[in-house]
Amino acid sequence: DIVMTQSPDSLAVSLGARATINCKSSQSVFYSSNNKNYLGWYQQKPGQPPKLLIYWASTRESGVPDRFSGSGSGTDFTLTINSLQAEDVAVYFCQQFYSTPHTFGQGTKLEIK
Amino acid sequence: EVQLVQSGAEVKKPGESLKISCKGSGYSFTTYWIAWVRQMPGKGLEWMGIIYPGDSDTRYSPSFQGQVTISADKAISTAYLQWSSLKASDTAIYYCARGNASDIWGQGTRVTVSS
Repeated sequence: DIVMTQSPDSLAVSLGARATINCKSSQSVFYSSNNKNYLGWYQQKPGQPPKLLIYWASTRESGVPDRFSGSGSGTDFTLTINSLQAEDVAVYFCQQFYSTPHTFGQGTKLEIK
Repeated sequence: EVQLVQSGAEVKKPGESLKISCKGSGYSFTTYWIAWVRQMPGKGLEWMGIIYPGDSDTRYSPSFQGQVTISADKAISTAYLQWSSLKASDTAIYYCARGNASDIWGQGTRVTVSS
């Protein structure tokens, strides 16, 4: 299984500031045949199912605000949230879909400072 | 509207069997994988397995292989997750989700197993 490790486990960021969440996979999730990283980011608010924010490591899902961005390749990835809003308080998960089982990171809890 | 609608909450006793469902609508059910994801109380997301309703090709996480059965009935656009003998440790919310990068999620089915 590919192990996904997120850091930090939690962070508190001021409104309007930038939040950065990291995700590291135990092996590469990059397919050279199509030049894609099989990595997604999700946001989960209390009492709700997860919501897909980013796929292919950096492609924003339709309707997701452009303050959310994803970057990285191979084994190291980052989710950046610019100009943090109150509604961004949530738990964020990365997931690899390179090979089954499609493992998730343990989650990062984002709060307002 | 593209959506996945899951069956309602269940309260069961240890040793009982259970089958929960996930009905897709608004898209071609047979052409997207459906994944099942477990979330235990206060915990993270665990990927259980995935099925392609078009041909019922199914893959399981080793952690869940033999513990659950995933199936689908493409005629009624519904995927299933079932247990033959529940344990207290199966208490969780179970989500179905469309696709490998899951863009559509069901609302979740809360399963409580308690004597």
